[in-house]
Amino acid sequence: DQQVKQNSPSLSVQEGRISILNCDYTNSMFDYFLWYKKYPAEGPTFLISISSIKDKNEDGRFTVFLNKSAKHLSLHIVPSQPGDSAVYFCAASRISNTGKLIFGQGTTLQVKP
Amino acid sequence: GAVVSQHPSWVICKSGTSVKIECRSLDFQATTMFWYRQFPKQSLMLMATSNEGSKATYEQGVEKDKFLINHASLTLSTLTVTSAHPEDSSFYICSARPGQGDYGYTFGSGTRLTVV
Repeated sequence: DQQVKQNSPSLSVQEGRISILNCDYTNSMFDYFLWYKKYPAEGPTFLISISSIKDKNEDGRFTVFLNKSAKHLSLHIVPSQPGDSAVYFCAASRISNTGKLIFGQGTTLQVKP
Repeated sequence: GAVVSQHPSWVICKSGTSVKIECRSLDFQATTMFWYRQFPKQSLMLMATSNEGSKATYEQGVEKDKFLINHASLTLSTLTVTSAHPEDSSFYICSARPGQGDYGYTFGSGTRLTVV
């Protein structure tokens, strides 16, 4: 049972354009969502998060949008840079339930110069 | 910022032997740590929640006797893969939460285990 899904395994965008990474979840009990960036053979690096009481959170070039009714969140990166090329994971958590994270399958983003 | 140190970064062992992986929170105390496993090109799968001073909570399908977790102090959790087999070869990652009111999670750099 995949509770967090990233249906696009890969995404390629041109430098300077917007990158949009999508994530869907099935468990309506999730109340905290996070995005991580990961390089091969390294641990994930935290990017941005959003609580279920919000629908948008912005940090520099990164913005996360949450649509609770659709059980969908997205990460927007604008403008995209070649250094953004990595695997991006979304994760969901129930804060009341030890806070353990459930990860999506990941989306490999390639930003072309 | 909060730092989680994981050691070793890679290890090769023979089938049937045991391997211990350490996860340390360097500048904060972590009552709870999490252990994940990632197979190539797949997601990070939560294996267990490590609780300081008590037994770990394992996810469904994870063998407790094979993946021994010890969280003896507020800064150290260990994962021991016992009687390792080639199918245990994977990338193991730990994470910790710096504080109860802080829901940011810090991850270690991971351990690549290869069982030959």
